[in-house]
Amino acid sequence: DIQMTQSPSSLSASVGDRVTITCRASQDIRTYLSWYQQKPGKAPKLLIYSASGLQSGLPSRFSGFGSGTDFTLTINSLQPDDFGTYYCQQSASFPHTFGQGTKLEIK
Amino acid sequence: QVQLVESGGGVVQPGRSLRLSCAASGFTFTRYAMHWVRQTAGKGLEWVAVISHDGRSDNYADSVKGRFSISRDNSKTTLFLDLHNLRAEDTAVYYCAREQISYSRSSGLGYWGQGTLVTVSS
Repeated sequence: DIQMTQSPSSLSASVGDRVTITCRASQDIRTYLSWYQQKPGKAPKLLIYSASGLQSGLPSRFSGFGSGTDFTLTINSLQPDDFGTYYCQQSASFPHTFGQGTKLEIK
Repeated sequence: QVQLVESGGGVVQPGRSLRLSCAASGFTFTRYAMHWVRQTAGKGLEWVAVISHDGRSDNYADSVKGRFSISRDNSKTTLFLDLHNLRAEDTAVYYCAREQISYSRSSGLGYWGQGTLVTVSS
């Protein structure tokens, strides 16, 4: 199985900051990488698909980059509503494994 | 708009079975692969299973292979997950999710239901 490792596990940032979360795959997954945001008690929400495709209706301050084994999710100009836990997921091969999550707190 | 509504969760004893359902609406169900993902309390997400748009192929996580079975009724736009020989570690919120891109099984999970809680306990 492909292992997905996110860093950091948690972070705290201020409104207006730029935040970057990293996801590393244990083997080449090309661009079969998605990012999700989850808030407490809610289902995850797709942010980025195919490593860099922005889900329809989402603000452009969310962006994804990477291919192969190393990927990043960047949130520009952090907003109060951006708190939550962020997960990456690979869909290059089954099982479609998730990273362990990155908890983002707004200062 | 896309809607996915899970049902069928509850409390079940170890070793017993349960069927989860996911009623889909707001999109052409027959064009999309469908997935189940679960989440234990306070923990991360675990992908469970996928079924192709036409129901002809499926894949499972190793942790559930041989015990869980995914299926779909395209005439009723409903997804199912049959859980057998349940264990305490299967206790989780189970989400159904729709593939992002039609006819793909690898484009990410674009839409999710609200989840249904399965508790395995004696």
